Amino acid sequence: EIVLTQSPATLSLSPGERATLSCRASQSVSSYLAWYQQKPGQAPRLLIYDASNRATGIPARFSGSGSGTDFTLTISSLEPEDFAVYYCQQRTNWPRYTFGQGTKLEIK
Amino acid sequence: EVQLLESGGGLVQPGGSLRLSCAASGFTFSSYAMSWVRQAPGKGLEWVSSITGSGGSTYHADSVKGRFTISRDNSKNTLYLQMNSLRVEDTAVYYCAKDPFYGFDVWGQGTTVTVS
Repeated sequence: EIVLTQSPATLSLSPGERATLSCRASQSVSSYLAWYQQKPGQAPRLLIYDASNRATGIPARFSGSGSGTDFTLTISSLEPEDFAVYYCQQRTNWPRYTFGQGTKLEIK
Repeated sequence: EVQLLESGGGLVQPGGSLRLSCAASGFTFSSYAMSWVRQAPGKGLEWVSSITGSGGSTYHADSVKGRFTISRDNSKNTLYLQMNSLRVEDTAVYYCAKDPFYGFDVWGQGTTVTVS
């Protein structure tokens, strides 16, 4: 099973700052990596798929990069509504998806 | 509007059974694979089960294999998860999700299953 490790576990930043979240895979997942945002009491929301493609309706301040084993989600300038938990997910062996453990983005 | 609405969660004793349903609307249900994903209290996301658009192929995580069964009725635009031999560790919010093969692009609001 491919294990995804996200870092940091918690990221404390202020609105307007740039956020960089990392996801590392235990073996290559090519570009088959997605990112989700989850706010308390809500279902997750797809942000990025196939490493760098924004999902429908996702603001341009969200971007994804990487391939192989190392991936990054960047939020260029944090808005108040961006503070949430972020998960990465791989799909190399559909549908046996695995998720990372999550990064909590909190207000500093 | 594309929408998924789960139902069927509740409190059940260990060893018991529940059937979850997920009613879909706003898209051609039979054209898409569908999945169940769960989240234990305070924990991360775990893929549970998936089914192809036709219903011809099903997949289950090792943690639920032999106990849970995913199915769908395309005439009713509804996805199901039959859960038998429930364990305390199955306690979670269960989400259904639309799966266009690159990730889960639509999620339901979730239904809570408590095994105690």
